[in-house]
Amino acid sequence: GAVVSQHPSRVICKSGTSVKIECRSLDFQATTMFWYRQFPKQSLMLMATSNEGSKATYEQGVEKDKFLINHASLTLSTLTVTSAHPEDSSFYICSARAGIGYGKNIQYFGAGTRLSVL
Amino acid sequence: AQKITQTQPGMFVQEKEAVTLDCTYDTSDQSYGLFWYKQPSSGEMIFLIYQGSYDEQNATEGRYSLNFQKARKSANLVISASQLGDSAMYFCAMRGPGSGGSNYKLTFGKGTLLTVNP
Repeated sequence: GAVVSQHPSRVICKSGTSVKIECRSLDFQATTMFWYRQFPKQSLMLMATSNEGSKATYEQGVEKDKFLINHASLTLSTLTVTSAHPEDSSFYICSARAGIGYGKNIQYFGAGTRLSVL
Repeated sequence: AQKITQTQPGMFVQEKEAVTLDCTYDTSDQSYGLFWYKQPSSGEMIFLIYQGSYDEQNATEGRYSLNFQKARKSANLVISASQLGDSAMYFCAMRGPGSGGSNYKLTFGKGTLLTVNP
């Protein structure tokens, strides 16, 4: 199956600092990448949809200036949590889908990043 | 708006037996896709199986099969010959609606925690 790499897997930072999370599709070109947030024992909540070379589309209630998304190439998207605060602590997970073929219907996920803001 | 309902918060099954995880959905779209993902305690989301709304045959992938009943709007996952490694959270999800990349947004159910007993 398609492989999506996400780094770092865990990050602990101080309140007020910014954290960047990378999401890479390793063996396919990702037309679209997605960023989700998951609270403990809950389902995934979509934060934003990112298409290569264009601005991300954020879901209602998600602060664009807090969660900066860049999709600079067909294999890389980044999520930057700016001026992180304890309430931003969560599990963040990205996904990517190929633009063609059977895989265009499938979102393949990274392993997730557990962010803890002190 | 799309909605996915998973009514079983937790399920138990004996090793080597089959188990069915329920999923019902609600959508006004004619074209949609249904997915099942597995999330072990490590957090990664593993794609299991996909069913397109126009697919006439039920999808199968190894020990996984999707029992698609369009009129009932149900997409149950059947796992045959359960293994201890199948113990995980299972999420049902639906694709769409929208245009372009957003057409592939996923709406997730709340998940079912499956425990396989030896």
